[in-house]
Amino acid sequence: DQQVKQNSPSLSVQEGRISILNCDYTNSMFDYFLWYKKYPAEGPTFLISISSIKDKNEDGRFTVFLNKSAKHLSLHIVPSQPGDSAVYFCAASGSDFGNEKLTFGTGTRLTIIP
Amino acid sequence: NAGVMQNPRHLVRRRGQEARLRCSPMKGHSHVYWYRQLPEEGLKFMVYLQKENIIDESGMPKERFSAEFPKEGPSILRIQQVVRGDSAAYFCASSPPDRFYTQYFGPGTRLTVL
Repeated sequence: DQQVKQNSPSLSVQEGRISILNCDYTNSMFDYFLWYKKYPAEGPTFLISISSIKDKNEDGRFTVFLNKSAKHLSLHIVPSQPGDSAVYFCAASGSDFGNEKLTFGTGTRLTIIP
Repeated sequence: NAGVMQNPRHLVRRRGQEARLRCSPMKGHSHVYWYRQLPEEGLKFMVYLQKENIIDESGMPKERFSAEFPKEGPSILRIQQVVRGDSAAYFCASSPPDRFYTQYFGPGTRLTVL
């Protein structure tokens, strides 16, 4: 049962344009969401997070939007840069679980075209 | 402040041998999580530990796998009698003991079972 879903395995975007990565979740107990970026042979690097009390969080070029009613979140990167080419994972956790273990999506491979 | 450290980075074992993976959390972090990433998949939660305590091991295979986080020293993930299906990247993450925190990941240990 995949509780966090990233339905686009890959995405290509022109340099300078906006990249939009999407994530859907099914478990209504999730209340904290994170995006990680991963290069091959490295560990995930934290990018940005959002708690369920907010619907938007912004950090530089990165903005995360949360739509609780739709159980959907998205990551916007603008402008996209070649160094943004990586696999992006959406992750979620919930306070009801008793701990903060993360449930990850399967990732979206973003390629920025120069 | 050094990041999460994992060693070894690469580990090769023959079937039936034991694998020991080590993780040193970031300074000030008391929570350690282990995740496994199989090829072409997302990260899957394995176990959550605090010093001298296993809090949640619901993601651990029932046999051959164990984890510890002693009072002194790194957290250890131990896999006994490895099989080919154990080949994966194993990531450790750490976080401070606060709600809505971020987990920071180490570079991972890539285990190959021959």
